[in-house]
Amino acid sequence: NAGVTQTPKFRVLKTGQSMTLLCAQDMNHEYMYWYRQDPGMGLRLIHYSVGEGTTAKGEVPDGYNVSRLKKQNFLLGLESAAPSQTSVYFCASTQPGPSGQFFGPGTRLTVL
Amino acid sequence: AQSVSQHNHHVILSEAASLELGCNYSYGGTVNLFWYVQYPGQHLQLLLKYFSGDPLVKGIKGFEAEFIKSKFSFNLRKPSVQWSDTAEYFCAVNGGGGTSYGKLTFGQGTILTVHP
Repeated sequence: NAGVTQTPKFRVLKTGQSMTLLCAQDMNHEYMYWYRQDPGMGLRLIHYSVGEGTTAKGEVPDGYNVSRLKKQNFLLGLESAAPSQTSVYFCASTQPGPSGQFFGPGTRLTVL
Repeated sequence: AQSVSQHNHHVILSEAASLELGCNYSYGGTVNLFWYVQYPGQHLQLLLKYFSGDPLVKGIKGFEAEFIKSKFSFNLRKPSVQWSDTAEYFCAVNGGGGTSYGKLTFGQGTILTVHP
């Protein structure tokens, strides 16, 4: 039982390049989330999904797109990376009801 | 919109000292409250959570937190810290109810440094 995994762990992009971050969970959770973590700002919700085939915007969605074609996977895309998107990205998942979120190990992204 | 405020950005303690980290939230309805810990270079781990019932909740590694509804607070405490508690601590709130979909609003985080 791997929990929540993220690929890749590190990535360096040039401004304007695109990339996709992959999140996978093996706990059969319905809900999945993408956050970004910046110093002094805690974690901020980018997008989330409440089930396969559904996505919704969070607090800071601009510049990102997501897809949830399979229940266990949640992809975060950057179409044209900007230096302001330099951050650590965390994926999380949970089930409906009284439980906390389970987090992945994070992806450290640098945009030059 | 809900918000979470953690009063201390950086707390420095010696081993065996007592710890209290403040957390206040703004939300008018039913809330679920969480404390997460992030050890250096690692992902967030759940320390404890409050959903209902006894407002004093106990978590892992000797941590506890008290929900005071009238003060909109959920402060984290530990009677005696250890060097291994050095980490960043995040308070988070989820507006309870089906349409909240488990979404969390996080505080800014408090870095705890414990000196041996």
